[in-house]
Amino acid sequence: SQTIHQWPATLVQPVGSPLSLECTVEGTSNPNLYWYRQAAGRGLQLLFYSVGIGQISSEVPQNLSASRPQDRQFILSSKKLLLSDSGFYLCAWRETYEQYFGPGTRLTVT
Amino acid sequence: GQNIDQPTEMTATEGAIVQINCTYQTSGFNGLFWYQQHAGEAPTFLSYNVLDGLEEKGRFSSFLSRSKGYSYLLLKELQMKDSASYLCAVDGGATNKLIFGTGTLLAVQP
Repeated sequence: SQTIHQWPATLVQPVGSPLSLECTVEGTSNPNLYWYRQAAGRGLQLLFYSVGIGQISSEVPQNLSASRPQDRQFILSSKKLLLSDSGFYLCAWRETYEQYFGPGTRLTVT
Repeated sequence: GQNIDQPTEMTATEGAIVQINCTYQTSGFNGLFWYQQHAGEAPTFLSYNVLDGLEEKGRFSSFLSRSKGYSYLLLKELQMKDSASYLCAVDGGATNKLIFGTGTLLAVQP
């Protein structure tokens, strides 16, 4: 069965510091991968999606970037965090008719 | 444009039935998803509808009318653990991106 991992589970970072969040998927090949952000009390905002290695599409222009160095690895990065980057970051994978989310990383920028 | 509407909050009684509605306007349609999200946790997949009609899965059922741009999630025999946010999402195009509504917060009372 497929499993999706995200780490870390929680993170507290100062404004202006860099960020790297990692997501890996097991039990599937060439999945579509997605990064979402959910601000407190808000809906899910799609940040990036990838249909294959090295293929990244950005949905919202901002100070975040994403990379997919391997088929089942998806990384979200920032060079300098803003206060507004605080939120719940969720990685998801999609296969045909189902889309599943990882456990998420709760980021607080102070 | 792309738009998905759900009620913000609903309240229901333990043991009762509740229907959560979702209306959508998207440029394309490849299916509609429902997710359950407990506070502080990642969304979990509940159902997927691509054809008109009712899909039943235990206590949960989901209905779709493509001509009306309308779906509902029906929860029967409500339990306290069903208190959560319920997210409606539409796959609106060829890139398999899900567009999410802001979610309906359901409170189940004794």
